Amino acid sequence: EIVLTQSPDFQSVTPKEKVTITCRASQSIGNRIHWYQQKPDQSPKLLINYASQSFSGVPSRFSGSGSGTDFTLTINSLAAEDAATYYCHQSSALPITFGQGTRLEIK
Amino acid sequence: QVQVVESGGGVVQPGRSLRLSCAASGFTFSNFAIHWVRQAPGKGLEWVGVISYDGRNKYYADSVKGRFTFSRDNSRNTLYLEMNSLRAEDTAVYYCARGLAVAATYFDYWGQGTLVTVSS
Repeated sequence: EIVLTQSPDFQSVTPKEKVTITCRASQSIGNRIHWYQQKPDQSPKLLINYASQSFSGVPSRFSGSGSGTDFTLTINSLAAEDAATYYCHQSSALPITFGQGTRLEIK
Repeated sequence: QVQVVESGGGVVQPGRSLRLSCAASGFTFSNFAIHWVRQAPGKGLEWVGVISYDGRNKYYADSVKGRFTFSRDNSRNTLYLEMNSLRAEDTAVYYCARGLAVAATYFDYWGQGTLVTVSS
């Protein structure tokens, strides 16, 4: 099973700040990493697929990068509505696995 | 627009069974695999398994293998998750999510989830 480790687990940030969330895979997965945003009491929403492709309708301040084992989700100029938990997800091999999540709090 | 809607959750005693449904609309259901993902209260996301577009291929997480069964009725645009021998650790919100394939895919649309509580 491929283990995904996100960091940090929690971050308190101010609006307009730049945020970087990392996701490290226990083995090389190419670009088969995807990122989701989950707000309280809502289902997850796709932000980025295949490491760097923005999903339709996602604000341009969200971007992704990386390949192999190390991946990054970047939020430029954080907005108040970005308070949420963010998850990475690998689809390189079954079983599909998720990172443990990174919770962003807006100060 | 694309929609997937789960139903069938509720409170069930340990060892009993429950069947969840996932109804789809707004896309050609028979072209897509559907994945199940669950989330225990206050916890992260856990993949439960997947059923292929035609129902022929099914893969399960080890934690549910032998107890959960996926099926689908493409004529009704509906997916089913039969859960047997339920345990307290199966308590979670269960989501169905659309995938392009069984593997190597992202989940572009998710349902709102249905809560299953296993408790005596």
